[in-house]
Amino acid sequence: GENVEQHPSTLSVQEGDSAVIKCTYSDSASNYFPWYKQELGKRPQLIIDIRSNVGEKKDQRIAVTLNKTAKHFSLHITETQPEDSAVYFCAASRIKNTGFQKLVFGTGTRLLVSP
Amino acid sequence: KAGVTQTPRYLIKTRGQQVTLSCSPISGHRSVSWYQQTPGQGLQFLFEYFSETQRNKGNFPGRFSGRQFSNSRSEMNVSTLELGDSALYLCASSFGQPQGTQYFGPGTRLLVL
Repeated sequence: GENVEQHPSTLSVQEGDSAVIKCTYSDSASNYFPWYKQELGKRPQLIIDIRSNVGEKKDQRIAVTLNKTAKHFSLHITETQPEDSAVYFCAASRIKNTGFQKLVFGTGTRLLVSP
Repeated sequence: KAGVTQTPRYLIKTRGQQVTLSCSPISGHRSVSWYQQTPGQGLQFLFEYFSETQRNKGNFPGRFSGRQFSNSRSEMNVSTLELGDSALYLCASSFGQPQGTQYFGPGTRLLVL
């Protein structure tokens, strides 16, 4: 079945460093890859997403890269700040013409940014 | 525009009881998906509704069911509760069109004793 593996499970960095979280998906038909940030006790919030027809997307300090051949995608956060501390989830989905998208989530990465 | 809302936010039930959770999507969104979040299993897809029809279902037992109303509000029901049903239940809404982003509600935290 569909599966998304996410690494590392925990990541500790110093403020100002970069952080990279990697995900691998199994369904080669997946065509949509969102990343969600979940702070303690709060809802998952979409921070960036990428479609399969794009190899890279940036939004200020956040970037996502996609390698369809290897079925890998990664989240890159530069100049990390303490408020970036949260659990980050990657997800993969095969979006059908009907618009339905079942998100298959990775297991999450707990990012801790120390001042 | 108001975000996705869920009620109740917290719930305590005992084994064998049933529970109904409610989700109100963002105005204009016609698709509502439900997910279960637990420390051990992470975020798992339950089912998705679009225009009052269930379009897909995850790998959960038949005790988990749902429905959607004409105003796109959705309810999820769990019958004969088990201890393992304790979790955060999240709903997410989207326009339902191809590549529509899903926006999550705050969740309902269910504790089964």
